[in-house]
Amino acid sequence: GENVGLHLPTLSVQEGDNSIINCAYSNSASDYFIWYKQESGKGPQFIIDIRSNMDKRQGQRVTVLLNKTVKHLSLQIAATQPGDSAVYFCAETLENTDKLIFGTGTRLQVFP
Amino acid sequence: DADVTQTPRNRITKTGKRIMLECSQTKGHDRMYWYRQDPGLGLRLIYYSFDVKDINKGEISDGYSVSRQAQAKFSLSLESAIPNQTALYFCATSDFAGEEETQYFGPGTRLLVL
Repeated sequence: GENVGLHLPTLSVQEGDNSIINCAYSNSASDYFIWYKQESGKGPQFIIDIRSNMDKRQGQRVTVLLNKTVKHLSLQIAATQPGDSAVYFCAETLENTDKLIFGTGTRLQVFP
Repeated sequence: DADVTQTPRNRITKTGKRIMLECSQTKGHDRMYWYRQDPGLGLRLIYYSFDVKDINKGEISDGYSVSRQAQAKFSLSLESAIPNQTALYFCATSDFAGEEETQYFGPGTRLLVL
């Protein structure tokens, strides 16, 4: 298998439970944030995004929360499923640039 | 992601060899990127291109070069490969049109430099 995420922090959850993955970003000038999911052997896949003028955005089973005061981003996955097992990365984009800055990632493991 | 393809998917090479990784996209996006990913780290930007005549260095461009042959093609070259370039390499595209800034990634190329 892939070595991606070999030493990443890991979150283990029971199938059906909700998952919360956290991310701290460093640059107060970041104005756009994305969560990516990376399954073994694949490239990162877009999950959900949020702009800095929002503090919450919902998708299908996923919610992203943004707290600009403490520069914190979280991804909530409702009713976690085995197919959600992957490494999750947050990424930020500095205002007026198109360059993504990736976090180091969190491995989500879902147990039946 | 079938819209962004990378070749080869796996490559083993020796120190000092020149190799090229290729990326093609059918999304019609103007912007293309090359990243590398190492264990325990997020993706780091090597080079990016906003259109055919535009090439920009990213965070870790030393030891790499790129060529944007067409809107749909962006290749990454290692002029003289070294072992610490062993990594996963990803190509990505984006459109940066209006609210859409998402980057779409290819499946990756695993490179091993002996």
